[in-house]
Amino acid sequence: KAGVTQTPRYLIKTRGQQVTLSCSPISGHRSVSWYQQTPGQGLQFLFEYFSETQRNKGNFPGRFSGRQFSNSRSEMNVSTLELGDSALYLCASCEVSVDQETQYFGPGTRLLVL
Amino acid sequence: AQKVTQAQTEISVVEKEDVTLDCVYETRDTTYYLFWYKQPPSGELVFLIRRNSFDEQNEISGRYSWNFQKSTSSFNFTITASQVVDSAVYFCALRRGGSTLGRLYFGRGTQLTVWP
Repeated sequence: KAGVTQTPRYLIKTRGQQVTLSCSPISGHRSVSWYQQTPGQGLQFLFEYFSETQRNKGNFPGRFSGRQFSNSRSEMNVSTLELGDSALYLCASCEVSVDQETQYFGPGTRLLVL
Repeated sequence: AQKVTQAQTEISVVEKEDVTLDCVYETRDTTYYLFWYKQPPSGELVFLIRRNSFDEQNEISGRYSWNFQKSTSSFNFTITASQVVDSAVYFCALRRGGSTLGRLYFGRGTQLTVWP
Protein backbone atom coordinates (compact mmCIF):
# COMPACT_ATOMS: atom_id res chain seq x y z
CA LYS A 1 0.00 0.00 0.00
CA ALA A 2 1.10 3.53 -0.63
CA GLY A 3 1.95 5.52 2.47
CA VAL A 4 0.48 8.75 3.72
CA THR A 5 1.04 11.56 1.25
CA GLN A 6 1.09 15.26 1.98
CA THR A 7 1.10 18.19 -0.37
CA PRO A 8 2.77 20.51 -0.79
CA ARG A 9 6.05 19.45 0.79
CA TYR A 10 7.37 22.98 1.17
CA LEU A 11 5.59 26.29 1.38
CA ILE A 12 6.62 29.89 1.92
CA LYS A 13 4.00 32.43 2.90
CA THR A 14 3.94 35.90 4.37
CA ARG A 15 2.24 37.07 7.52
CA GLY A 16 -1.48 37.57 7.16
CA GLN A 17 -1.90 35.11 4.32
CA GLN A 18 -3.74 31.86 4.64
CA VAL A 19 -2.61 28.37 3.68
CA THR A 20 -4.22 25.01 2.96
CA LEU A 21 -2.36 21.75 3.45
CA SER A 22 -3.54 18.44 2.09
CA CYS A 23 -3.20 14.88 3.37
CA SER A 24 -4.12 11.61 1.68
CA PRO A 25 -4.24 8.70 4.13
CA ILE A 26 -3.22 5.12 3.54
CA SER A 27 -5.91 3.30 1.61
CA GLY A 28 -8.51 1.95 4.05
CA HIS A 29 -7.53 4.27 6.88
CA ARG A 30 -10.45 6.40 7.99
CA SER A 31 -8.85 8.41 10.78
CA VAL A 32 -6.59 11.35 10.00
CA SER A 33 -4.72 13.39 12.59
CA TRP A 34 -2.63 16.51 12.26
CA TYR A 35 0.37 17.55 14.34
CA GLN A 36 2.52 20.64 14.40
CA GLN A 37 6.23 20.27 15.10
CA THR A 38 8.42 23.20 16.12
CA PRO A 39 11.82 23.28 17.83
CA GLY A 40 10.37 25.13 20.79
CA GLN A 41 7.16 23.21 21.42
CA GLY A 42 7.95 19.83 19.96
CA LEU A 43 5.14 17.73 18.50
CA GLN A 44 1.73 19.13 19.30
CA PHE A 45 -1.63 17.64 18.39
CA LEU A 46 -3.87 19.81 16.24
CA PHE A 47 -6.97 17.71 15.51
CA GLU A 48 -8.26 14.31 14.50
CA TYR A 49 -10.95 13.48 11.97
CA PHE A 50 -12.95 10.34 11.50
CA SER A 51 -15.84 9.86 9.08
CA GLU A 52 -15.72 13.53 8.12
CA THR A 53 -16.19 14.62 11.75
CA GLN A 54 -13.67 16.26 14.03
CA ARG A 55 -13.32 13.91 17.00
CA ASN A 56 -10.48 15.51 18.94
CA LYS A 57 -8.99 18.96 19.00
CA GLY A 58 -5.77 20.25 20.50
CA ASN A 59 -5.14 23.59 22.11
CA PHE A 60 -4.75 25.79 19.06
CA PRO A 61 -6.51 29.04 18.15
CA GLY A 62 -9.46 29.11 15.81
CA ARG A 63 -7.19 30.19 12.95
CA PHE A 64 -6.38 26.51 12.62
CA SER A 65 -9.14 24.48 11.06
CA GLY A 66 -9.54 21.31 9.13
CA ARG A 67 -11.91 19.03 7.37
CA GLN A 68 -12.16 15.53 6.06
CA PHE A 69 -13.77 14.41 2.86
CA SER A 70 -15.81 11.30 2.15
CA ASN A 71 -12.75 9.57 0.68
CA SER A 72 -10.92 10.20 4.01
CA ARG A 73 -8.59 12.77 2.51
CA SER A 74 -8.08 15.70 4.82
CA GLU A 75 -7.13 19.33 4.58
CA MET A 76 -6.05 21.76 7.23
CA ASN A 77 -6.23 25.50 6.88
CA VAL A 78 -4.40 28.22 8.73
CA SER A 79 -5.75 31.72 8.30
CA THR A 80 -4.03 35.01 9.08
CA LEU A 81 -0.61 33.43 9.30
CA GLU A 82 1.79 34.48 12.02
CA LEU A 83 5.55 34.05 12.16
CA GLY A 84 5.09 31.48 14.90
CA ASP A 85 3.14 29.24 12.55
CA SER A 86 6.38 28.31 10.81
CA ALA A 87 6.64 24.62 11.46
CA LEU A 88 6.59 21.11 10.09
CA TYR A 89 2.99 19.95 9.80
CA LEU A 90 2.59 16.22 9.97
CA CYS A 91 -0.43 14.21 9.02
CA ALA A 92 -1.04 10.69 10.30
CA SER A 93 -3.58 8.09 9.35
CA CYS A 94 -4.92 5.16 11.30
CA GLU A 95 -7.06 2.14 10.52
CA VAL A 96 -9.83 2.37 13.06
CA SER A 97 -10.50 -1.13 14.31
CA VAL A 98 -9.63 -3.24 17.29
CA ASP A 99 -5.84 -3.65 17.59
CA GLN A 100 -5.20 -1.27 14.72
CA GLU A 101 -4.49 1.90 16.61
CA THR A 102 -1.10 2.66 15.15
CA GLN A 103 -0.79 6.04 13.44
CA TYR A 104 1.35 6.18 10.33
CA PHE A 105 2.81 9.53 9.37
CA GLY A 106 3.37 11.30 6.12
CA PRO A 107 6.54 13.20 5.13
CA GLY A 108 5.13 16.49 6.36
CA THR A 109 4.73 19.95 4.95
CA ARG A 110 7.37 22.49 5.92
CA LEU A 111 5.75 25.89 6.23
CA LEU A 112 7.84 29.03 6.48
CA VAL A 113 6.07 32.28 7.30
CA LEU A 114 7.99 35.46 6.50
CA ALA B 1 -3.06 14.11 32.44
CA GLN B 2 -0.80 12.25 30.10
CA LYS B 3 2.90 12.99 29.96
CA VAL B 4 5.91 11.45 28.26
CA THR B 5 9.43 12.32 29.34
CA GLN B 6 12.57 11.62 27.41
CA ALA B 7 15.30 12.91 29.66
CA GLN B 8 18.09 12.37 27.13
CA THR B 9 18.08 15.19 24.61
CA GLU B 10 21.17 14.06 22.71
CA ILE B 11 23.22 10.90 22.61
CA SER B 12 26.38 10.30 20.59
CA VAL B 13 27.89 6.89 20.08
CA VAL B 14 30.42 5.32 17.81
CA GLU B 15 29.29 2.73 15.31
CA LYS B 16 28.79 -0.79 16.73
CA GLU B 17 28.14 0.49 20.24
CA ASP B 18 24.86 -0.41 21.93
CA VAL B 19 22.62 2.49 22.90
CA THR B 20 19.51 2.70 25.08
CA LEU B 21 16.94 5.47 24.78
CA ASP B 22 14.92 6.14 27.90
CA CYS B 23 11.23 6.93 28.10
CA VAL B 24 9.11 7.51 31.20
CA TYR B 25 5.39 8.07 30.96
CA GLU B 26 2.56 9.23 33.18
CA THR B 27 -1.07 8.27 32.86
CA ARG B 28 -3.89 7.25 35.15
CA ASP B 29 -5.49 5.11 32.48
CA THR B 30 -5.36 1.37 32.97
CA THR B 31 -5.40 0.77 29.23
CA TYR B 32 -2.97 2.68 27.07
CA TYR B 33 -0.55 2.22 24.21
CA LEU B 34 3.10 3.13 23.95
CA PHE B 35 5.00 3.81 20.76
CA TRP B 36 8.46 4.53 19.47
CA TYR B 37 8.91 6.54 16.30
CA LYS B 38 12.08 7.48 14.44
CA GLN B 39 12.45 10.79 12.62
CA PRO B 40 15.33 10.97 10.15
CA PRO B 41 16.43 14.34 8.74
CA SER B 42 13.83 14.03 5.99
CA GLY B 43 11.18 14.71 8.62
CA GLU B 44 8.84 11.76 8.31
CA LEU B 45 7.99 9.96 11.53
CA VAL B 46 8.64 6.27 11.02
CA PHE B 47 6.73 3.84 13.25
CA LEU B 48 8.99 1.36 15.06
CA ILE B 49 6.93 -0.42 17.70
CA ARG B 50 3.69 -0.35 19.67
CA ARG B 51 3.09 -1.92 23.06
CA ASN B 52 -0.26 -2.31 24.83
CA SER B 53 -0.42 -1.68 28.56
CA PHE B 54 -1.56 -5.24 29.19
CA ASP B 55 1.35 -6.74 27.26
CA GLU B 56 4.59 -6.43 29.21
CA GLN B 57 6.40 -9.01 27.14
CA ASN B 58 9.62 -7.52 25.93
CA GLU B 59 10.77 -8.19 22.45
CA ILE B 60 13.81 -8.28 20.27
CA SER B 61 13.54 -7.51 16.59
CA GLY B 62 16.82 -7.64 14.78
CA ARG B 63 19.04 -4.98 16.32
CA TYR B 64 16.14 -3.39 18.20
CA SER B 65 14.80 -4.39 21.59
CA TRP B 66 12.30 -2.87 23.99
CA ASN B 67 11.96 -2.99 27.74
CA PHE B 68 8.47 -2.16 29.01
CA GLN B 69 8.08 -2.00 32.79
CA LYS B 70 4.75 -0.84 34.20
CA SER B 71 6.14 -0.83 37.74
CA THR B 72 8.47 2.03 36.84
CA SER B 73 6.34 3.49 34.00
CA SER B 74 9.22 3.08 31.61
CA PHE B 75 9.41 2.00 27.99
CA ASN B 76 13.05 1.97 26.97
CA PHE B 77 14.41 1.23 23.54
CA THR B 78 17.80 -0.31 22.77
CA ILE B 79 19.72 -0.45 19.52
CA THR B 80 22.39 -3.11 19.44
CA ALA B 81 25.49 -2.64 17.30
CA SER B 82 24.42 0.83 16.17
CA GLN B 83 24.97 1.98 12.61
CA VAL B 84 25.35 5.40 11.04
CA VAL B 85 21.91 4.99 9.44
CA ASP B 86 20.40 4.85 12.93
CA SER B 87 21.18 8.55 13.35
CA ALA B 88 17.84 10.27 13.84
CA VAL B 89 15.54 11.76 16.45
CA TYR B 90 13.64 9.10 18.35
CA PHE B 91 10.27 9.86 19.88
CA CYS B 92 8.39 7.97 22.53
CA ALA B 93 4.62 8.47 22.52
CA LEU B 94 1.58 7.46 24.53
CA ARG B 95 -2.00 7.03 23.45
CA ARG B 96 -4.91 6.61 25.81
CA GLY B 97 -7.00 3.48 25.62
CA GLY B 98 -10.73 3.10 25.77
CA SER B 99 -11.30 4.19 22.22
CA THR B 100 -9.99 3.40 18.80
CA LEU B 101 -9.48 7.10 18.28
CA GLY B 102 -7.13 9.33 20.11
CA ARG B 103 -4.23 11.68 19.99
CA LEU B 104 -0.62 10.77 20.61
CA TYR B 105 1.26 12.43 23.44
CA PHE B 106 4.89 12.76 22.46
CA GLY B 107 8.07 13.20 24.43
CA ARG B 108 10.54 15.87 23.32
CA GLY B 109 12.66 13.33 21.49
CA THR B 110 16.23 12.10 21.74
CA GLN B 111 18.70 13.03 19.02
CA LEU B 112 20.88 10.02 18.36
CA THR B 113 24.09 10.52 16.42
CA VAL B 114 26.10 7.49 15.41
CA TRP B 115 29.64 8.30 14.30
CA PRO B 116 31.55 6.06 11.92
